[in-house]
Amino acid sequence: GEDVEQSLFLSVREGDSSVINCTYTDSSSTYLYWYKQEPGAGLQLLTYIFSNMDMKQDQRLTVLLNKKDKHLSLRIADTQTGDSAIYFCAGGDTGRRALTFGSGTRLQVQP
Amino acid sequence: SAVISQKPSRDICQRGTSLTIQCQVDSQVTMMFWYRQQPGQSLTLIATANQGSEATYESGFVIDKFPISRPNLTFSTLTVSNMSPEDSSIYLCSAIDRARETQYFGPGTRLLVL
Repeated sequence: GEDVEQSLFLSVREGDSSVINCTYTDSSSTYLYWYKQEPGAGLQLLTYIFSNMDMKQDQRLTVLLNKKDKHLSLRIADTQTGDSAIYFCAGGDTGRRALTFGSGTRLQVQP
Repeated sequence: SAVISQKPSRDICQRGTSLTIQCQVDSQVTMMFWYRQQPGQSLTLIATANQGSEATYESGFVIDKFPISRPNLTFSTLTVSNMSPEDSSIYLCSAIDRARETQYFGPGTRLLVL
């Protein structure tokens, strides 16, 4: 089955860019998502990318997909203290559609 | 985007009892799922809720412990049966929006079993 891996922790200063990385094993993953979870809250869908895309930009967020290396990244420009949260990468394929989640990356933004 | 609500938002239950969690979506969706997030952990899929038929369970999860219903396209329930403290988790419902083909999550139900 699918395996999704993320680094556990990232600390940046306010105003800097954050880059959160994710690797996955299943080349049939068609849908790749980034979710944000703040303390005590549910999952907020941040952005997603389909496997036929290399990049997607949405305001401060940029997603890069390297299908050859099965590597996905989320870049947050001008990181703010309100961006402090856990970020989950998740993947699913066209048939199954249920998602396999990474362990989550805790982003800490220092003022 | 689909808006998903869950009830209850949290509960504290006694060992041996059962709790039914409801999930309601405000628009047409194609698929619905139930996930569990144990304390400090990532999300694990429990099952796919199939409309009008038995749910499809993942390895390690069984119908007797987690019975699921989905009587129509926009509503599903998950029951956590004969609870033990190990069942203390956040239970999240998700759905795939028919229009955008993206997967949204409900706010979760925080369950503590004493």
